[in-house]
Amino acid sequence: NAGVTQTPKFQVLKTGQSMTLQCAQDMNHNSMYWYRQDPGMGLRLIYYSASEGTTDKGEVPNGYNVSRLNKREFSLRLESAAPSQTSVYFCASRGPYKGELFFGEGSRLTVL
Amino acid sequence: AQRVTQPEKLLSVFKGAPVELKCNYSYSGSPELFWYVQYSRQRLQLLLRHISRESIKGFTADLNKGETSFHLKKPFAQEEDSAMYYCALQETSGSRLTFGEGTQLTVNP
Repeated sequence: NAGVTQTPKFQVLKTGQSMTLQCAQDMNHNSMYWYRQDPGMGLRLIYYSASEGTTDKGEVPNGYNVSRLNKREFSLRLESAAPSQTSVYFCASRGPYKGELFFGEGSRLTVL
Repeated sequence: AQRVTQPEKLLSVFKGAPVELKCNYSYSGSPELFWYVQYSRQRLQLLLRHISRESIKGFTADLNKGETSFHLKKPFAQEEDSAMYYCALQETSGSRLTFGEGTQLTVNP
């Protein structure tokens, strides 16, 4: 039982490049989330998926797209990376209790 | 729109001293509030939720609707409490969980 697994853990991109962050959970959870963590700004919600087949924007969706491929997987795509997207990205899934999220280890992305 | 504010980015106390991490929120509905903790080199994890009225690792938090606050308290801090703490608000209907800016707590020996 791995919980929430994110890949890659580290990535360096040049401005304008694209990439996809992968996330998978094996807890049969319905809701999944992508957050970014920046110093002094806490965790900000990028996108979330309340259930398979649905996605919704969070606080900071610009520059990102998501895909809820199936119940297990929720990917985050940067189509044209910008230095402002340098951050640590966290994927999470929600357990049976509202507000109880299970987080991945994070993906540190640097855009040069 | 819901909002969570943690006014202290850094908090430093000595071992055995009381500690209080502040959290204020704004939300038009009936809030559900949580504290999350991230220890060094560990995943972010749920510490406690207001609805359970529980004490976890000696920490408690009381929801004060009049002051729109949910401060986290511990009477005697331990070195192992050093971590980043996030306050979070769950919207009543829907799936969004909004986090505050976080407070980095350091407990000195």
